[in-house]
Amino acid sequence: QQQVKQSPQSLIVQKGGISIINCAYENTAFDYFPWYQQFPGKGPALLIAIRPDVSEKKEGRFTISFNKSAKQFSLHIMDSQPGDSATYFCAARDTDKLIFGTGTRLQVFP
Amino acid sequence: GAGVSQTPSNKVTEKGKYVELRCDPISGHTALYWYRQSLGQGPEFLIYFQGTGAADDSGLPNDRFFAVRPEGSVSTLKIQRTERGDSAVYLCASSLRQGTYNEQFFGPGTRLTVL
Repeated sequence: QQQVKQSPQSLIVQKGGISIINCAYENTAFDYFPWYQQFPGKGPALLIAIRPDVSEKKEGRFTISFNKSAKQFSLHIMDSQPGDSATYFCAARDTDKLIFGTGTRLQVFP
Repeated sequence: GAGVSQTPSNKVTEKGKYVELRCDPISGHTALYWYRQSLGQGPEFLIYFQGTGAADDSGLPNDRFFAVRPEGSVSTLKIQRTERGDSAVYLCASSLRQGTYNEQFFGPGTRLTVL
């Protein structure tokens, strides 16, 4: 049962462009929403996270926008770089465990 | 400061065999998690330890899967009578303690292939 829906499945962006990845959830008990970045052969690494009482969080080129009423949140990567090419996962915390989306493979071309 | 380490990095076994996967969490982290990641999918929760006890094992798919953490540090995920469908990357994560907003740090995973 998929509790966090993520789109798009893949994304191609030109260097310097904006990458946008969207996620939606149903369970209103989720209380923490992290984004993870994963490179091939590596484990996921936390990129940025947000709590549901905040509508936006920005860290450097990465911004999370959170819409509690719509039960949606998104990751924006500004000035995308080739080094950002990776798979990105949104997640939601359910009590003690993370529920992950299916991932977005981002490719940034020079 | 070492991160979460997992051994072996790769494991190839035959259907029906028993396997053990090891996780060494970050020193001082009391919470430890196991996830399974199938190809092209996000990690799926298996089990969570707080200290030595399994606080939530609701993600274990069936009774062939078992995990222990006898001294509250290293954990071993054990899979009996492996099936081809068990092939996946098994990820371990640890966090400082249970509670809100504690980051889960992931290891590199063990890639299990069941032939």
